[in-house]
Amino acid sequence: QVTLRESGPALVKPTQTLTLTCTFSGFSLGTLGMCVTWIRQPPGKALEWLARIDWDGDEYYSTSLKTRLTISKDTSKSQVVLTVTNMDPVDTATYYCARNRVDDYDNYIDVWGPGTLVTVAS
Amino acid sequence: QTVVTQEPSFSVSPGGTVTLTCGLNSGSVSSDHFPSWYQQTPGQTPRTLIYSTTTRSSGVPNRFSGSIVGNKAALTITGAQADDESNYYCVLYLGGGISMFGGGTKLTVL
Repeated sequence: QVTLRESGPALVKPTQTLTLTCTFSGFSLGTLGMCVTWIRQPPGKALEWLARIDWDGDEYYSTSLKTRLTISKDTSKSQVVLTVTNMDPVDTATYYCARNRVDDYDNYIDVWGPGTLVTVAS
Repeated sequence: QTVVTQEPSFSVSPGGTVTLTCGLNSGSVSSDHFPSWYQQTPGQTPRTLIYSTTTRSSGVPNRFSGSIVGNKAALTITGAQADDESNYYCVLYLGGGISMFGGGTKLTVL
């Protein structure tokens, strides 16, 4: 059974850096075609794709946020970390990590974590 | 700037058929964009419905189907049920490893 779970602070102050960890089980991020994607959703708003890291270590970022995002993985710990710098109240959102499958014929999210709400306020 | 477009809202009668679409402001959607669809009820985690344009995720009822209609990806619900009332999001792969969500469609069943 594949599961993912996000962890990190529920509250951060403006200008601080947010660090979120996605801990997963049931698959290896060292396996061909396995990736982890981070997505966020401000309260009452749409989902937003943030970043993806692949089995081979390749990293991809949202064009609009790439200067503020860093994604990394620790395959041995089955963890993926997302950092977001210079947090602002508009970054208040539920942050999800999800398993993403990629090959020549497919690119999709199949399993989602439950999400973690991060509020940015002083 | 690329934008993935969806109808903000749609309504369907119980038992009816509805088609939600997913487009690109910069051109046509094709299978090369690997369209996928996700269902989310308020307060819940999204659920994967359709991927690679037409493939239903495990456990998804066959009343949900995906296709390309004209220059857009489409999600069709045939025989809508009350518990299909949700927000529906599409995702398109834009290339270079980057994907993008649409703004979502709020579907009302009444």
